Amino acid sequence: DVKVTQSSRYLVKRTGEKVFLECVQDMDHENMFWYRQDPGLGLRLIYFSYDVKMKEKGDIPEGYSVSREKKERFSLILESASTNQTSMYLCASSLWWVPGQGPTNTGELFFGEGSRLTVL
Amino acid sequence: KNEVEQSPQNLTAQEGEFITINCSYSVGISALHWLQQHPGGGIVSLFMLSSGKKKHGRLIATINIQEKHSSLHITASHPRDSAVYICAVYPGGSQGNLIFGKGTKLSVKP
Repeated sequence: DVKVTQSSRYLVKRTGEKVFLECVQDMDHENMFWYRQDPGLGLRLIYFSYDVKMKEKGDIPEGYSVSREKKERFSLILESASTNQTSMYLCASSLWWVPGQGPTNTGELFFGEGSRLTVL
Repeated sequence: KNEVEQSPQNLTAQEGEFITINCSYSVGISALHWLQQHPGGGIVSLFMLSSGKKKHGRLIATINIQEKHSSLHITASHPRDSAVYICAVYPGGSQGNLIFGKGTKLSVKP
């Protein structure tokens, strides 16, 4: 069974603390993503990685950094947590896909269960 | 800016009804996703479409690239279909920056 596993379902941290959110996938996917989900705002991309040590900023990278040292693992780091970073964080992965490529690569996104972070 | 618009925002149906959720987008895309999120749960990918129509069980997704519109249909709806359905598009050539709709919350009553 394919899986994206996030390290913590629930975290409570204090303002100023450093926070690590880890994501591991067992599908040998090239692409990995970190999103945050807030009521009324939907899903927003924080960072995206398409290969080991490669990263691209998404819509809201400020206050976050990422690390991808191994293909299966993509970490999200909050260097100094703030209350406005209280949110649900979702990791996802997918194969590198080409539109119209054969049925084995549908470009399907696989999501983790999410990590609900509260910053006090 | 709302590059991906879903309608309706909320939908209540009786068990057995045929349901349609709509997604309109304003950018050129290479593909479109339909996603499902149950309360408190993770997100599951239902379909990825770049043209035509796909069917999986009671779910059917269609896309009209020229009209920049996609629909998700659920036939013979069931209370277990109650979830938030999210449309997301890949802007042309992009694999990273999906643009998400805000979701349609579906509640199916027994």
